[in-house]
Amino acid sequence: EDKVVQSPLSLVVHEGDTVTLNCSYEVTNFRSLLWYKQEKKAPTFLFMLTSSGIEKKSGRLSSILDKKELFSILNITATQTGDSAIYLCAVDLNSGAGSYQLTFGKGTKLSVIP
Amino acid sequence: EPEVTQTPSHQVTQMGQEVILRCVPISNHLYFYWYRQILGQKVEFLVSFYNNEISEKSEIFDDQFSVERPDGSNFTLKIRSTKLEDSAMYFCASGRGYEQYFGPGTRLTVT
Repeated sequence: EDKVVQSPLSLVVHEGDTVTLNCSYEVTNFRSLLWYKQEKKAPTFLFMLTSSGIEKKSGRLSSILDKKELFSILNITATQTGDSAIYLCAVDLNSGAGSYQLTFGKGTKLSVIP
Repeated sequence: EPEVTQTPSHQVTQMGQEVILRCVPISNHLYFYWYRQILGQKVEFLVSFYNNEISEKSEIFDDQFSVERPDGSNFTLKIRSTKLEDSAMYFCASGRGYEQYFGPGTRLTVT
């Protein structure tokens, strides 16, 4: 069974702190790993990672993938209260059917307090 | 910026009733998806739709579920005879490739 495990499940930090969110996976036919931010309802896309060791950056957020050890991390520097959300890790499986099927982890709930 | 829309935002139905959840994907997208998230649990894949047919479905997507793209813009999920355990947030997503854009979801409550 394909598994995506995120840790920690929840995290409370103060504004300005740096956080690292973890995602490990055990899946067959890995194609890519994606990070989403879920605030109130819909997950919004952050990053897609396919290759090991290449860091993706967007402002204060960055992410990297290790395909040998089967994990990814999402870093957020200088956190702000607006970063409070559930961060979802998802793995896209290459099933050969021509579409993209995401298997999600349970998410990490990040709370940033002033 | 174009976005995926879903209606209704909240649907309450009685057990055994049929419901149709509606989605309008982003117009130039080719792949369409339904996911669900039971309260407090993870987002789960239901079905993907490409080239006017189902390309993949999960074990959750049994004979009670069906999808349609009736008019080239809407994408619907029908649950024929709802059960209590169908209560969840249902997300529609669309994409041109690996990146999936999610709609705001429909909260389905089965009583």
